[in-house]
Amino acid sequence: DAGVIQSPRHEVTEMGQEVTLRCKPISGHDYLFWYRQTMMRGLELLIYFNNNVPIDDSGMPEDRFSAKMPNASFSTLKIQPSEPRDSAVYFCASSPSTGQFSNQPQHFGDGTRLSIL
Amino acid sequence: AQSVTQLDSHVSVSEGTPVLLRCNYSSSYSPSLFWYVQHPNKGLQLLLKYTSAATLVKGINGFEAEFKKSETSFHLTKPSAHMSDAAEYFCVVSDENYKLSFGAGTTVTVRA
Repeated sequence: DAGVIQSPRHEVTEMGQEVTLRCKPISGHDYLFWYRQTMMRGLELLIYFNNNVPIDDSGMPEDRFSAKMPNASFSTLKIQPSEPRDSAVYFCASSPSTGQFSNQPQHFGDGTRLSIL
Repeated sequence: AQSVTQLDSHVSVSEGTPVLLRCNYSSSYSPSLFWYVQHPNKGLQLLLKYTSAATLVKGINGFEAEFKKSETSFHLTKPSAHMSDAAEYFCVVSDENYKLSFGAGTTVTVRA
């Protein structure tokens, strides 16, 4: 039973470059979430989708960040141009929705560790 | 608005002794509460969840948590710590819009 799959696991790039992070949610899950984890700010929700539609992007830091979900099995988080302060671990999570959907736990991928030099 | 406060940033226990991780929450909604564990270089793994059924919730790996509405608490316990329990633990509350609020985390160290 495959979990949430993220790629790459590690990314090191120079500032100003475009960075694309990828996520494959668990099959059948209706919700997909992107989080960022840093020592200073902990875990922050960036954006989440329901049935491929962005529902809340209020956590996206600025216009340099964008996220897409072209189909139910794939999502990307893009940073362009990247800056050193974007260095963090980025997690993707997915969840099913049934009835009282807030009861359903989220399943996390292993994350992408991003370093911007 | 909702929030979570984990009362201890770091807990150190000896192997075989009980573990207690404390969590208080604030929510204007009847909350769903979760405990997640994160091992180094890994994602978050669900330990257990409370969803307004039984107030004592049993999870994986011998962990359990008790929901106390009067105290707005959801403390996590395990009777006997194992070396493999060394990790970071997050108390999490979910609102009606499916958004999670995370505590700052508690790092657990287990001494041999």
